[in-house]
Amino acid sequence: GENVEQHPSTLSVQEGDSAVIKCTYSDSASNYFPWYKQELGKGPQLIIDIRSNVGEKKDQRIAVTLNKTAKHFSLHITETQPEDSAVYFCAASMSFGGSQGNLIFGKGTKLSVKP
Amino acid sequence: NAGVMQNPRHLVRRRGQEARLRCSPMKGHSHVYWYRQLPEEGLKFMVYLQKENIIDESGMPKERFSAEFPKEGPSILRIQQVVRGDSAAYFCASSPPQGAAKNIQYFGAGTRLSVL
Repeated sequence: GENVEQHPSTLSVQEGDSAVIKCTYSDSASNYFPWYKQELGKGPQLIIDIRSNVGEKKDQRIAVTLNKTAKHFSLHITETQPEDSAVYFCAASMSFGGSQGNLIFGKGTKLSVKP
Repeated sequence: NAGVMQNPRHLVRRRGQEARLRCSPMKGHSHVYWYRQLPEEGLKFMVYLQKENIIDESGMPKERFSAEFPKEGPSILRIQQVVRGDSAAYFCASSPPQGAAKNIQYFGAGTRLSVL
C-alpha cells in the first residue's frame, strides 16, 4: 500500500524567513496531495492541495510543488509569521471513477516561527 | 455554514466500557472518513462510509470497533470494551460526492478519548 515519508520532523525559522517541508510517496497511482495545518487541540485544516496533472500551485504565501517522476512533493511558506507555528501534515490519496480514496498521512512537521 | 461537527469533544471511559463517537458531516456531504491520531503521530485511516454503506474498513481493527452512517443522523464510531491503547484523538472528515471538490476532506475538531 501507499507510504508517505515527511521531513523534517521539526523546523525552526526566524520570522520572515521561508520554510520548506518535503514529502515522498511510494504509490505512483496516487493522484491527490493535500497539506493540512493542525494547531494544538484542533482538527487538521486544509491549507493547499495539488492534483497529479499540475506541477505547482500557489496561494499567497503558500506554494506546493509536485514531481511525479521522483514521487515527491513539497510545501513552501514564504515570509513566515508567528501564527504559522503549527504541525503540518502532507497526505496522498488516489481516486478513480466514482471512488474516493482515504488519505495516507506523513508523520508531521512541527514548525516554530520565532519572532 | 456549519463545518464537520464531532461530539463529544472529550470522552473518558474506564477499561471495559463502550465509547460512542458521533460525527455530523458538512451539509451536502455524503462521504465520511474516520481517522485515529496517537500523540506525536500522524493520522491513520480507519474507515470510509457513505450513507448506509461501508466502502472501506481496511484500517479498522477487526474486533471491538464498528462504524455506521445511517440514512438519518450522524455517523457513529463505536468502540466496545475499551482498553488503554484505545486512548487517542479520533477525527472525522467529510467530502462532497462529486464535482471539483471531490477528494477534498474537511476535518472536525476531533474527540479525545481517554481510557482509565
